[in-house]
Amino acid sequence: NAGVTQTPKFRILKIGQSMTLQCTQDMNHNYMYWYRQDPGMGLKLIYYSVGAGITDKGEVPNGYNVSRSTTEDFPLRLELAAPSQTSVYFCASTSGSPPTGGYTFGSGTRLTVV
Amino acid sequence: LAKTTQPISMDSYEGQEVNITCSHNNIATNDYITWYQQFPSQGPRFIIQGYKTKVTNEVASLFIPADRKSSTLSLPRVSLSDTAVYYCLVPNTNAGKSTFGDGTTLTVKP
Repeated sequence: NAGVTQTPKFRILKIGQSMTLQCTQDMNHNYMYWYRQDPGMGLKLIYYSVGAGITDKGEVPNGYNVSRSTTEDFPLRLELAAPSQTSVYFCASTSGSPPTGGYTFGSGTRLTVV
Repeated sequence: LAKTTQPISMDSYEGQEVNITCSHNNIATNDYITWYQQFPSQGPRFIIQGYKTKVTNEVASLFIPADRKSSTLSLPRVSLSDTAVYYCLVPNTNAGKSTFGDGTTLTVKP
Protein backbone atom coordinates (compact mmCIF):
# COMPACT_ATOMS: atom_id res chain seq x y z
CA ASN A 1 0.00 0.00 0.00
CA ALA A 2 1.77 3.16 -1.23
CA GLY A 3 -0.31 5.71 0.72
CA VAL A 4 0.35 9.28 -0.47
CA THR A 5 2.97 9.67 -3.19
CA GLN A 6 4.51 13.01 -4.11
CA THR A 7 6.73 13.79 -7.07
CA PRO A 8 9.26 15.21 -7.58
CA LYS A 9 11.15 15.03 -4.27
CA PHE A 10 13.39 17.98 -5.13
CA ARG A 11 13.20 20.78 -7.68
CA ILE A 12 15.00 24.02 -8.41
CA LEU A 13 13.07 26.63 -10.36
CA LYS A 14 14.09 29.95 -11.77
CA ILE A 15 12.01 33.03 -10.98
CA GLY A 16 9.05 33.23 -13.32
CA GLN A 17 9.01 29.53 -14.25
CA SER A 18 6.02 27.31 -13.64
CA MET A 19 5.68 23.73 -12.47
CA THR A 20 3.21 21.17 -11.19
CA LEU A 21 3.70 19.21 -7.99
CA GLN A 22 2.06 15.82 -8.23
CA CYS A 23 0.17 14.06 -5.45
CA THR A 24 -1.52 10.66 -5.68
CA GLN A 25 -3.19 8.58 -2.99
CA ASP A 26 -4.39 4.99 -3.27
CA MET A 27 -6.57 4.83 -0.15
CA ASN A 28 -9.77 6.14 -1.76
CA HIS A 29 -9.70 9.13 0.58
CA ASN A 30 -12.13 11.90 -0.27
CA TYR A 31 -10.27 14.74 1.49
CA MET A 32 -6.93 15.94 0.15
CA TYR A 33 -4.76 18.86 1.24
CA TRP A 34 -1.69 20.81 0.20
CA TYR A 35 0.52 22.36 2.87
CA ARG A 36 3.74 24.30 2.73
CA GLN A 37 6.34 24.32 5.48
CA ASP A 38 9.01 26.99 5.64
CA PRO A 39 12.24 26.25 7.55
CA GLY A 40 11.64 25.96 11.29
CA MET A 41 7.95 26.75 10.93
CA GLY A 42 4.65 24.93 11.10
CA LEU A 43 2.47 23.83 8.19
CA LYS A 44 0.31 26.30 6.32
CA LEU A 45 -2.72 25.13 4.33
CA ILE A 46 -2.62 26.19 0.68
CA TYR A 47 -5.63 24.43 -0.85
CA TYR A 48 -7.86 21.52 0.01
CA SER A 49 -10.43 19.32 -1.70
CA VAL A 50 -13.41 17.49 -0.24
CA GLY A 51 -13.84 15.28 -3.29
CA ALA A 52 -13.39 15.03 -7.04
CA GLY A 53 -14.36 18.29 -8.72
CA ILE A 54 -14.42 20.32 -5.49
CA THR A 55 -11.55 22.50 -4.28
CA ASP A 56 -11.23 25.48 -1.97
CA LYS A 57 -8.62 27.92 -0.70
CA GLY A 58 -6.74 27.57 2.54
CA GLU A 59 -4.66 30.12 4.46
CA VAL A 60 -2.04 30.89 1.80
CA PRO A 61 -3.45 30.24 -1.71
CA ASN A 62 -1.90 33.15 -3.60
CA GLY A 63 0.42 32.04 -6.39
CA TYR A 64 -0.99 28.52 -6.54
CA ASN A 65 -3.76 26.63 -8.29
CA VAL A 66 -5.18 23.13 -7.89
CA SER A 67 -7.51 20.74 -9.62
CA ARG A 68 -9.15 17.48 -8.57
CA SER A 69 -10.42 15.58 -11.56
CA THR A 70 -10.17 12.16 -9.88
CA THR A 71 -10.33 10.87 -6.31
CA GLU A 72 -6.69 9.78 -6.49
CA ASP A 73 -4.92 12.85 -7.85
CA PHE A 74 -4.55 16.38 -6.48
CA PRO A 75 -1.85 18.32 -8.39
CA LEU A 76 -0.62 21.72 -7.23
CA ARG A 77 0.33 24.25 -9.90
CA LEU A 78 2.81 27.06 -9.33
CA GLU A 79 2.58 29.87 -11.86
CA LEU A 80 5.34 32.50 -12.13
CA ALA A 81 7.52 31.10 -9.35
CA ALA A 82 8.87 33.60 -6.80
CA PRO A 83 11.61 33.22 -4.14
CA SER A 84 8.89 33.44 -1.46
CA GLN A 85 7.62 30.07 -2.70
CA THR A 86 10.83 28.34 -1.64
CA SER A 87 9.54 25.79 0.83
CA VAL A 88 8.77 22.13 1.44
CA TYR A 89 5.37 21.12 0.14
CA PHE A 90 3.36 18.31 1.69
CA CYS A 91 0.27 16.63 0.36
CA ALA A 92 -2.08 14.85 2.76
CA SER A 93 -5.33 12.91 2.63
CA THR A 94 -7.99 11.59 4.96
CA SER A 95 -11.40 10.00 4.78
CA GLY A 96 -14.81 10.57 6.30
CA SER A 97 -17.60 13.02 5.78
CA PRO A 98 -16.78 15.18 7.65
CA PRO A 99 -13.20 14.08 8.28
CA THR A 100 -12.69 12.35 11.59
CA GLY A 101 -9.52 10.39 11.12
CA GLY A 102 -5.85 11.14 11.07
CA TYR A 103 -4.19 12.52 7.99
CA THR A 104 -1.73 10.53 5.89
CA PHE A 105 1.07 12.70 4.58
CA GLY A 106 3.38 12.27 1.64
CA SER A 107 7.15 12.58 2.01
CA GLY A 108 7.21 16.09 0.58
CA THR A 109 8.63 18.08 -2.32
CA ARG A 110 11.51 20.42 -1.53
CA LEU A 111 11.29 23.41 -3.86
CA THR A 112 13.90 26.13 -4.28
CA VAL A 113 13.22 29.21 -6.40
CA VAL A 114 16.33 31.12 -7.48
CA LEU B 1 -11.04 27.73 12.23
CA ALA B 2 -10.03 25.91 15.39
CA LYS B 3 -6.66 27.62 15.88
CA THR B 4 -4.32 25.67 18.15
CA THR B 5 -1.67 26.88 20.60
CA GLN B 6 1.18 24.75 21.95
CA PRO B 7 4.40 25.39 23.87
CA ILE B 8 7.26 26.07 21.48
CA SER B 9 9.69 23.61 23.05
CA MET B 10 10.11 21.07 25.83
CA ASP B 11 13.07 19.15 27.18
CA SER B 12 12.99 15.74 28.81
CA TYR B 13 15.25 12.83 29.75
CA GLU B 14 15.11 9.26 28.62
CA GLY B 15 12.63 7.17 30.56
CA GLN B 16 10.49 10.09 31.68
CA GLU B 17 6.84 10.66 30.83
CA VAL B 18 6.22 13.73 28.68
CA ASN B 19 2.96 15.66 28.52
CA ILE B 20 2.36 18.21 25.77
CA THR B 21 -0.75 20.37 26.01
CA CYS B 22 -2.57 22.02 23.14
CA SER B 23 -5.23 24.73 23.42
CA HIS B 24 -8.06 24.82 20.87
CA ASN B 25 -10.59 27.25 22.28
CA ASN B 26 -12.74 27.46 19.12
CA ILE B 27 -13.28 23.74 18.69
CA ALA B 28 -16.67 22.88 17.21
CA THR B 29 -19.05 20.24 18.49
CA ASN B 30 -18.23 17.69 15.80
CA ASP B 31 -14.47 18.30 15.64
CA TYR B 32 -11.98 15.60 16.53
CA ILE B 33 -8.50 16.26 17.89
CA THR B 34 -5.50 14.70 16.19
CA TRP B 35 -1.77 14.65 17.00
CA TYR B 36 1.23 14.18 14.74
CA GLN B 37 4.96 13.59 15.03
CA GLN B 38 7.43 15.04 12.55
CA PHE B 39 11.11 14.25 12.12
CA PRO B 40 13.43 16.50 10.08
CA SER B 41 13.01 16.14 6.32
CA GLN B 42 9.92 13.93 6.71
CA GLY B 43 6.20 14.44 6.50
CA PRO B 44 4.15 14.45 9.72
CA ARG B 45 3.05 11.04 10.99
CA PHE B 46 -0.34 10.53 12.63
CA ILE B 47 -0.04 9.42 16.27
CA ILE B 48 -3.46 9.49 17.90
CA GLN B 49 -6.90 11.04 17.74
CA GLY B 50 -9.74 11.54 20.19
CA TYR B 51 -13.07 13.25 20.79
CA LYS B 52 -13.40 13.29 24.57
CA THR B 53 -12.02 11.80 27.82
CA LYS B 54 -9.07 9.46 27.26
CA VAL B 55 -7.71 7.50 24.34
CA THR B 56 -4.72 5.18 24.47
CA ASN B 57 -2.83 3.30 21.78
CA GLU B 58 0.52 1.55 21.62
CA VAL B 59 2.38 4.83 21.21
CA ALA B 60 0.66 7.47 23.35
CA SER B 61 -2.33 8.56 25.37
CA LEU B 62 -4.56 11.54 24.72
CA PHE B 63 -6.45 13.28 27.50
CA ILE B 64 -9.34 15.60 26.68
CA PRO B 65 -11.25 17.48 29.41
CA ALA B 66 -15.02 17.84 29.36
CA ASP B 67 -15.00 21.32 27.76
CA ARG B 68 -12.69 20.00 24.97
CA LYS B 69 -10.88 23.35 24.74
CA SER B 70 -7.54 21.68 25.29
CA SER B 71 -5.92 18.29 24.97
CA THR B 72 -2.78 16.67 26.37
CA LEU B 73 -0.59 14.21 24.52
CA SER B 74 1.20 11.88 26.91
CA LEU B 75 4.29 9.95 25.82
CA PRO B 76 5.28 7.30 28.35
CA ARG B 77 8.96 6.59 29.00
CA VAL B 78 10.42 8.60 26.14
CA SER B 79 13.63 7.62 24.36
CA LEU B 80 16.10 9.58 22.27
CA SER B 81 14.20 8.57 19.15
CA ASP B 82 11.16 10.51 20.36
CA THR B 83 13.01 13.77 19.74
CA ALA B 84 10.79 15.43 17.14
CA VAL B 85 8.23 18.17 16.58
CA TYR B 86 4.72 17.36 17.77
CA TYR B 87 1.64 19.02 16.32
CA CYS B 88 -1.97 19.00 17.34
CA LEU B 89 -4.57 19.57 14.65
CA VAL B 90 -8.28 20.09 14.85
CA PRO B 91 -9.76 19.35 11.43
CA ASN B 92 -12.65 21.69 10.72
CA THR B 93 -15.53 19.33 10.17
CA ASN B 94 -17.76 22.01 8.72
CA ALA B 95 -15.51 23.12 5.90
CA GLY B 96 -12.68 20.60 5.61
CA LYS B 97 -10.17 23.25 6.54
CA SER B 98 -7.51 22.39 9.04
CA THR B 99 -4.98 24.66 10.66
CA PHE B 100 -1.80 23.43 12.29
CA GLY B 101 -0.24 25.30 15.14
CA ASP B 102 3.50 25.91 15.23
CA GLY B 103 4.18 22.63 16.99
CA THR B 104 6.21 21.68 20.06
CA THR B 105 9.85 20.71 19.62
CA LEU B 106 10.55 17.91 22.08
CA THR B 107 14.20 17.22 22.87
CA VAL B 108 14.95 14.03 24.77
CA LYS B 109 18.33 13.98 26.48
CA PRO B 110 20.29 10.92 27.65
